[in-house]
Amino acid sequence: DAGITQSPRHKVTETGTPVTLRCHQTENHRYMYWYRQDPGHGLRLIHYSYGVKDTDKGEVSDGYSVSRSKTEDFLLTLESATSSQTSVYFCAISPGQGPPRHFGPGTRLTVT
Amino acid sequence: QKEVEQNSGPLSVPEGAIASLNCTYSDRGSQSFFWYRQYSGKSPELIMSIYSNGDKEDGRFTAQLNKASQYVSLLIRDSQPSDSATYLCAVNNTGGFKTIFGAGTRLFVKA
Repeated sequence: DAGITQSPRHKVTETGTPVTLRCHQTENHRYMYWYRQDPGHGLRLIHYSYGVKDTDKGEVSDGYSVSRSKTEDFLLTLESATSSQTSVYFCAISPGQGPPRHFGPGTRLTVT
Repeated sequence: QKEVEQNSGPLSVPEGAIASLNCTYSDRGSQSFFWYRQYSGKSPELIMSIYSNGDKEDGRFTAQLNKASQYVSLLIRDSQPSDSATYLCAVNNTGGFKTIFGAGTRLFVKA
């Protein structure tokens, strides 16, 4: 399995609180992605990074921010969590431009 | 209209049969097409890529692409119960910067 981990794996938080999810990779891949997966919608791209400090928005970026200060770490922050952000969040990595090659195990986030 | 559409299923086939999974996409300029398999409660894994019209075979899996009809399919021959999963179709948009996923088709292979 590709070396990609996510933390935490499960989290329950209250509406209005900030939340940070972490993705860590040991593959030295240039591209890192954050997706959310909801029933009926499939995987939707939130943000992605194409290098240290280089990030761009995906299709559902509102309410989310990201940071990448090191090649191996990509953080996703929900600035003020809302119930609509209850979802399963997947991090993914890729050596170059193109489809995500490997996914992390996912984080199940519940906002009450 | 969704950018990538799949029948949600479930598609149920008997063991040993051919499972046929279909996908249509709206961006006529798309150049790269992918299939991912996702077991229940697990993360997706990339199983097939196809870039040109026609068929691409890999073991029991065959991906088919028809750009004129904006149609991609995945055939699984000699289906096994272990093939039971959700199959996600994905398409790189024009320019290849972002990969758009369909909602997936659930496949159930009956022993």
